[in-house]
Amino acid sequence: SQELEQSPQSLIVQEGKNLTINCTSSKTLYGLYWYKQKYGEGLIFLMMLQKGGEEKSHEKITAKLDEKKQQSSLHITASQPSHAGIYLCGAATRPGNEKLTFGTGTRLTIIP
Amino acid sequence: KAGVTQTPRYLIKTRGQQVTLSCSPISGHRSVSWYQQTPGQGLQFLFEYFSETQRNKGNFPGRFSGRQFSNSRSEMNVSTLELGDSALYLCASSFVVRTGGSYEQYFGPGTRLTVT
Repeated sequence: SQELEQSPQSLIVQEGKNLTINCTSSKTLYGLYWYKQKYGEGLIFLMMLQKGGEEKSHEKITAKLDEKKQQSSLHITASQPSHAGIYLCGAATRPGNEKLTFGTGTRLTIIP
Repeated sequence: KAGVTQTPRYLIKTRGQQVTLSCSPISGHRSVSWYQQTPGQGLQFLFEYFSETQRNKGNFPGRFSGRQFSNSRSEMNVSTLELGDSALYLCASSFVVRTGGSYEQYFGPGTRLTVT
């Protein structure tokens, strides 16, 4: 079965600094999704990547899917307190499959 | 456009009881998926419905079941509740145009189920 590993598991960053979260799979990723979750709440959709080499940005968040489609990174520029939360990557297990497998999450804390 | 809604938001049940959770997808979305989130197991896929048919199923016992109505609203049912069923249950909807493609999935706020 497909497993997703996220690193780091937790991250403490000073406000204004940049940071990167990684998501690695042992198998080819189809439809790689990035979500943000506040504790105990629903998941907020950030971005979806499909093609190898694809890169998307929204405000200060950029996500990339590598050429081999087995690793994705999420980069936050000039972090703000509003970026704090748990970041989750999810991946479809085969093309067109709505069933997502999720990583264990990265807990991001922003300190003033 | 309204987001995915789930009711109820919080629920407390006793072992052995059954529970029904409801999910209303974003207007126009025909695919609804259900997930269970626990501190120990993380987010795990339960099942997915499209046009009233279950298309995908995760590795959960038969006590977990679901259905989808003609208006795409979905319900999931858990019978004979166990303490380990305590979790945040999330549903997600997506606008599937054709099979074989990947589509953005939007999640609801979840239903927090506590089994005592």
